[in-house]
Formats: sequence, structure tokens, C-alpha cells
Amino acid sequence: QMQVVESGGGLVKPGGSLRLSCKASGFTFSDYYMAWIRQAPGKGLEWVAYIGSSGADISYSDSVKGRFTISRDNADNSLYLQMNSLRAEDTALYYCARTETTSVGAWLDPWGQGTLVTVSS
Amino acid sequence: DIQMTQSPSSLSASVGDRLTITCRASQRINNYVNWYQQKPGKAPQLLIFAASSLRSGVPSRFSGSGSGTDFTLTISSLQPEDFASYFCQQSYSLPPTFGQGTKIEIK
Repeated sequence: QMQVVESGGGLVKPGGSLRLSCKASGFTFSDYYMAWIRQAPGKGLEWVAYIGSSGADISYSDSVKGRFTISRDNADNSLYLQMNSLRAEDTALYYCARTETTSVGAWLDPWGQGTLVTVSS
Repeated sequence: DIQMTQSPSSLSASVGDRLTITCRASQRINNYVNWYQQKPGKAPQLLIFAASSLRSGVPSRFSGSGSGTDFTLTISSLQPEDFASYFCQQSYSLPPTFGQGTKIEIK
């Protein structure tokens, strides 16, 4: 079945860096947009970034633009999020999700279980 | 950014109840709304896409409706496994934005 599994989270000091990974299986990874979404403890969902199927179409939320970089390796069915200059407010559970894009909108399905990023000194 | 205002933020209900959750967009977004369910400690799961299309495998007691700015998610007969949080999301324009969520608790 379709599945995405995140890894790479952890504890990092403010100003530090971390690279998240997401491994996909059960679908043709290179056919789909992919996204990162985060959820701060006890809070709602915030879209972070997406990347097109070939990697050419990329967009970021204003809150991470210039600090985070999304990328993918279609040969390895993997999605990445390089996070630099981390701040306390980046502390969250980070989800990877396949993005279905159609003429009637775009939706996230499936989602991974998430990887926790904690930014604290 | 388009704001998605979801209500109520929480509610208590009983098994068998009919529930409606609403989501209002800050501007017209056609039918570009999706609904997700999130159980404690679990990842969100897609329930409804394009306002009213039921994802394959999702029970038919879930339904969605609306267009323009006002959208609803209805559970026709609440089951024990439906006690969870529900989020709406718009995909009309970037950035995609979510409602703040509705938590359904057992009465």
C-alpha cells in the first residue's frame, strides 16, 4: 500500500541545522508532487513546502523561506527537507505527504507518521 | 493568505449522533476544500477531497458539502472510532491553509 516514512528529527540548538528525509513506497514517486507539513505541540497544521514531480516547481511558506530547502531524489523515492537557522518556533512534528494535484484542487494523501524536531538550547 | 475558520473548536457527542462541522473561507475558493481526520498520536488521514468527494475506503457516514466560502463535514451517525480531531484545508491558492481543527469528544 501507499506509504511515506519520515526520519531525521531530533533535538537541535537555535541556529542549528537538521535534514529530514521521507521514504516513499507503494506508488510511483516520480509522478507526484510532495509536501512537508508541520504541527507544533498542541497546535494546528501548517504547510511548510511543496516540490513538483520533477523538482522544478517549488514553493515555501513565508515562515521558512530562505532557511529551509526542499528537494527530492526520484531514483531513490526520497524527499528531503534541509532546515537551517532553526528557531524555537520551528519546534514541531514534521509530516511528509504525497500531494494529489488535479483540476479540482490538491490534497494530501497519504501522510507519514511524522518526525519530531525540537529546537532548544 | 486565505483564512479558514472552523467551528466549533470542540464538541461533546454520543455514539449515534449526527454531527456537522463547518469551515468558512475568507474568500471564495470554489470547491477547493479537503477534510482530514486525526486521531491522537497519529498522522492526519484524508476523508473528503474537492468539498464532497469521499476518499476510497472512507465510510459513507462521512459526507462533505459546500462551495464558495462555506463548507461542511457531516458524520451521519457517530461511531466510537470517529472520536478524533478534524481539519479542513483549502487548495485554492498558495499557501495551502488549514482550519484550526475540531475535536470531537465522548459525552
